[in-house]
Amino acid sequence: DTAVSQTPKYLVTQMGNDKSIKCEQNLGHDTMYWYKQDSKKFLKIMFSYNNKELIINETVPNRFSPKSPDKAHLNLHINSLELGDSAVYFCASSQDWTGEMTQYFGPGTRLLVL
Amino acid sequence: SQQGEEDPQALSIQEGENATMNCSYKTSINNLQWYRQNSGRGLVHLILIRSNEREKHSGRLRVTLDTSKKSSSLLITASRAADTASYFCATDARGDYKLSFGAGTTVTVRA
Repeated sequence: DTAVSQTPKYLVTQMGNDKSIKCEQNLGHDTMYWYKQDSKKFLKIMFSYNNKELIINETVPNRFSPKSPDKAHLNLHINSLELGDSAVYFCASSQDWTGEMTQYFGPGTRLLVL
Repeated sequence: SQQGEEDPQALSIQEGENATMNCSYKTSINNLQWYRQNSGRGLVHLILIRSNEREKHSGRLRVTLDTSKKSSSLLITASRAADTASYFCATDARGDYKLSFGAGTTVTVRA
């Protein structure tokens, strides 16, 4: 069984479009994250949620809006996509946000904006 | 800002050899973790070392932590082709409540 799953795996879209990425974890974890990995493999945290509440909101354009309907799901909606949004987006989860934060990652969503 | 910096950026070794990579960081930490990323996949947690620990082992992996130098090393012994991947260190800075990842070391193990 997949612990952290993301859909879609690949997303190719035009500039200006709006798209969503979905994430689900079946580990019973309280905390979920979104990361962006650029072409140089640098991984940067975007958001974290603990039990549906926003904990971390890094300096991310407000075109990016996360939504957590319950603690097992954290979705990412992106408005008005730009070329620079092309990257791999990873969802992750951890038991909680104040402990050791060992993280479990999803397989990634490869976003290409044309 | 990026907390961890791995060195070297890339490493190519023969199967059976050992691979060593280093991570340096800037601020005081609660713990340091190492992750592996195979091509086209998500990151997988390998090992965690707490700030009061100096060395930790897990199978063929050995991690050291020197908090006075703000550095860590990951040693993979008797490497295999399946160890070909990128390896990232991640630090949990005190009061930060998030992991900060370095840019990774890409390891290629030649058969």
